[in-house]
Amino acid sequence: GAGVSQSPSNKVTEKGKDVELRCDPISGHTALYWYRQSLGQGLEFLIYFQGNSAPDKSGLPSDRFSAERTGGSVSTLTIQRTQQEDSAVYLCASSSNRVSGNTIYFGEGSWLTVV
Amino acid sequence: DQQVKQNSPSLSVQEGRISILNCDYTNSMFDYFLWYKKYPAEGPTFLISISSIKDKNEDGRFTVFLNKSAKHLSLHIVPSQPGDSAVYFCAASGRNFGNEKLTFGTGTRLTIIP
Repeated sequence: GAGVSQSPSNKVTEKGKDVELRCDPISGHTALYWYRQSLGQGLEFLIYFQGNSAPDKSGLPSDRFSAERTGGSVSTLTIQRTQQEDSAVYLCASSSNRVSGNTIYFGEGSWLTVV
Repeated sequence: DQQVKQNSPSLSVQEGRISILNCDYTNSMFDYFLWYKKYPAEGPTFLISISSIKDKNEDGRFTVFLNKSAKHLSLHIVPSQPGDSAVYFCAASGRNFGNEKLTFGTGTRLTIIP
C-alpha cells in the first residue's frame, strides 16, 4: 500500500502475556519511528530506526520493550510480560531523508488493551 | 521534562472564525517544527511545517508562525470549519530532521461550533 501499515489494528491480551506489533513503512523510507499514546496523553517517543539500526532507543520505558527492523523495512515492537499500564495506541511512522517540506507519516496505530 | 508544551488542552471556536493554537518549546536546538492533526481512532496526519529560518509559512487556510526569540509557535486556521474539529499536536526536531526523533506536545483538542 501507499501508506504506513500497522497490524494488528486492535489487540486485547491478558496481563503477563507477550505481544508483537508490526509496522510496514512507506516503501523507500529509511527512517522508522515508534510512538505510543496512552489515554489522554500526548505522543510518547519510544524508538527510532535508521535502516536496520536503532541510534535512539531512549524512549523504551523498560527492558520488557524491544524492537527490531529487518531488511530496512518491516519493524516489530515486542512487549514482554505485558502490564495494564502498557495499554495504549502504538503508532508507527516513517520518513525519507529531509528535504524541504518533508514530514514523517504515521500509520493508523495498533490499539493494545491489557486486561 | 516536557520540551514541547501545549498549555491549552482544549479550545472551542465558532465556525467561520479564526482558530489559534499555541505551542511553546524550551530546547534552543530545535530547528524544524510541524503541526499534526489527529481524529479519534486514526493516526496523526501532517498539516504544515516551518523551518527556523522562516517566521511564517502558509498553506491554504493554515498558517504557522514562529517566534524564535520567544520559543513560541502558533497555528492559525481561518476560516474554521466543522471538519477542523480534532486534536492538534505541535512537534519539533533538531537540525537533523529525518535522522532523529520528533518531540511532540500533549495536544490541543479543537472543537468548531457550527
